[in-house]
Amino acid sequence: KNEVEQSPQNLTAQEGEFITINCSYSVGISALHWLQQHPGGGIVSLFMLSSGKKKHGRLIATINIQEKHSSLHITASHPRDSAVYICAALLNRDDKIIFGKGTRLHILP
Amino acid sequence: DTEVTQTPKHLVMGMTNKKSLKCEQHMGHRAMYWYKQKAKKPPELMFVYSYEKLSINESVPSRFSPECPNSSLLNLHLHALQPEDSALYLCASSQVGQGVGGYTFGSGTRLTVV
Repeated sequence: KNEVEQSPQNLTAQEGEFITINCSYSVGISALHWLQQHPGGGIVSLFMLSSGKKKHGRLIATINIQEKHSSLHITASHPRDSAVYICAALLNRDDKIIFGKGTRLHILP
Repeated sequence: DTEVTQTPKHLVMGMTNKKSLKCEQHMGHRAMYWYKQKAKKPPELMFVYSYEKLSINESVPSRFSPECPNSSLLNLHLHALQPEDSALYLCASSQVGQGVGGYTFGSGTRLTVV
């Protein structure tokens, strides 16, 4: 079992839909990253969370430390949101991060 | 400056070539990382430098040789690579310590070994 699990692996939705991507982890973490990677591109950090909720534009990220679970929400989704979204756990024991396998999001116009 | 800059963006090299990848940041981050990412896979950690010293080497073959000449610069020297080493090579930086300041990733160098 991976230490960081994401779901779903693939998600196709219509433009305008509300999107939720989930991340569960089984390790002790100091923080959790949500990352975005467009096809063939580098990685952009969207959020770093250690508690609660953060919002940036149409993106919202939440984390529940007790339940070891985080979610990334996209409101009013748009085709340009199509990308791979990766959850990455920053371990509290060393300078390592463990990546989830990513969620491939495709927003149809 | 809040970016990690990687050069070149694309590199094609033969198996007998020697080349280098470069990574630069001016955010005062004292931890820098090299990751390798194959298509449709999450990044895999290769090396970590903390305060310009190699702190983690994830059993990477010696044909990859990292170098951190100063606190802003990280190089990855490549020699006698194999076609299976073709991948996206990502550099990242952070403050030293768990999650402090978060990670900033570069846009990567797409390497093709022919």
